Amino acid sequence: ETGVTQTPRHLVMGMTNKKSLKCEQHLGHNAMYWYKQSAKKPLELMFVYNFKEQTENNSVPSRFSPECPNSSHLFLHLHTLQPEDSALYLCASSQDSAGTGEQYFGPGTRLTVT
Amino acid sequence: GENVEQHPSTLSVQEGDSAVIKCTYSDSASNYFPWYKQELGKRPQLIIDIRSNVGEKKDQRIAVTLNKTAKHFSLHITETQPEDSAVYFCAASSTGGFKTIFGAGTRLFVKA
Repeated sequence: ETGVTQTPRHLVMGMTNKKSLKCEQHLGHNAMYWYKQSAKKPLELMFVYNFKEQTENNSVPSRFSPECPNSSHLFLHLHTLQPEDSALYLCASSQDSAGTGEQYFGPGTRLTVT
Repeated sequence: GENVEQHPSTLSVQEGDSAVIKCTYSDSASNYFPWYKQELGKRPQLIIDIRSNVGEKKDQRIAVTLNKTAKHFSLHITETQPEDSAVYFCAASSTGGFKTIFGAGTRLFVKA
């Protein structure tokens, strides 16, 4: 598959579980992003990595822990989540290292916290 | 903090009519304004963008206008078709900022 891929596509987890979301981009981009999309809310930027370095942490609770081992892969480690964390989690990447430019989104992971 | 307001939240038009979605932003350093379309169950995709050195940009049936003084920008879709039905998001970012702020989205319904 080309573009930006995310796994798993759907995830149901209990509040005491630990799970990880994976994102991979096949576009040779320099920047990668995690967004949270909840119903009737704007897309919320969570984390930004530029050349594997975290450049933004948008006041995200510590129960979300990102990891970017290289420019092509991005993970979001989840632990002790709350029901209000249920949402669609979108990964994106962009070529532009200046902070502006088209972002290419993955299909998202639909997360349900029970 | 920075924010982007988008109106209306829902818009219903008859096929062939025009649709206009408006956004305002607060960060005066913003210089890049993309618009994304998200069809039901699919990922957001860029449909058009504008940078602060231009006031208007067109691409077939869609156009975007920017008023930097007033800090607002708009998306115009002419001759709407049922396949234009989707949620549209405006956004704003600035060079070196890496922080794209999205509007809340407009759900557009085009009735055949």
